[in-house]
Amino acid sequence: GDSVTQMEGPVTLSEEAFLTINCTYTATGYPSLFWYVQYPGEGLQLLLKATKADDKGSNKGFEATYRKETTSFHLEKGSVQVSDSAVYFCALSERNRDDKIIFGKGTRLHILP
Amino acid sequence: DAGVTQSPTHLIKTRGQQVTLRCSPKSGHDTVSWYQQALGQGPQFIFQYYEEEERQRGNFPDRFSGHQFPNYSSELNVNALLLGDSALYLCASSLTSGWDEQFFGPGTRLTVL
Repeated sequence: GDSVTQMEGPVTLSEEAFLTINCTYTATGYPSLFWYVQYPGEGLQLLLKATKADDKGSNKGFEATYRKETTSFHLEKGSVQVSDSAVYFCALSERNRDDKIIFGKGTRLHILP
Repeated sequence: DAGVTQSPTHLIKTRGQQVTLRCSPKSGHDTVSWYQQALGQGPQFIFQYYEEEERQRGNFPDRFSGHQFPNYSSELNVNALLLGDSALYLCASSLTSGWDEQFFGPGTRLTVL
């Protein structure tokens, strides 16, 4: 069945460092891909999305490109801030199949000042 | 706008008991989805309600049931509680079934002893 695999955390970086959180997926069709973020004490919220191959989703300085050839959707940010400390979840859904959403296990990010 | 609200915040039950969790969607939203998030894991989709009917369901046993009311609020019921049901239960609302349109609540923390 469909699945999402994320790099394990926690990931600890200094402020202004470059961030990459790896995400790979397994799907039989053509899924939509998402990154959600969960800030401390807050609900889960959508960070960015991509719906087809080679699409790039971007928001708040974060980017991720839908790579069908490598079945990946890695999250990147050029210069992280302390306020980016949160848990990040990669997810996929296949609307033309059973239309369910599948989340990865999440990656906790700590940014040190 | 209060956003998505859930009650109660925390709950402690014993094995075999039954529990009801409640969710009020964001104003204007007519679709409610429920998720189970075990500690250190990503959210797992339980089911989605639209027009007072269950529209999609994840891989959860029949012990998990739900209801949506005419005002779009929703309940999640879990019967015959098991220790493994201990988790954070998230509710998300949306105007459509699209997964990128979801707004999540803060969750209800259920502990089964």
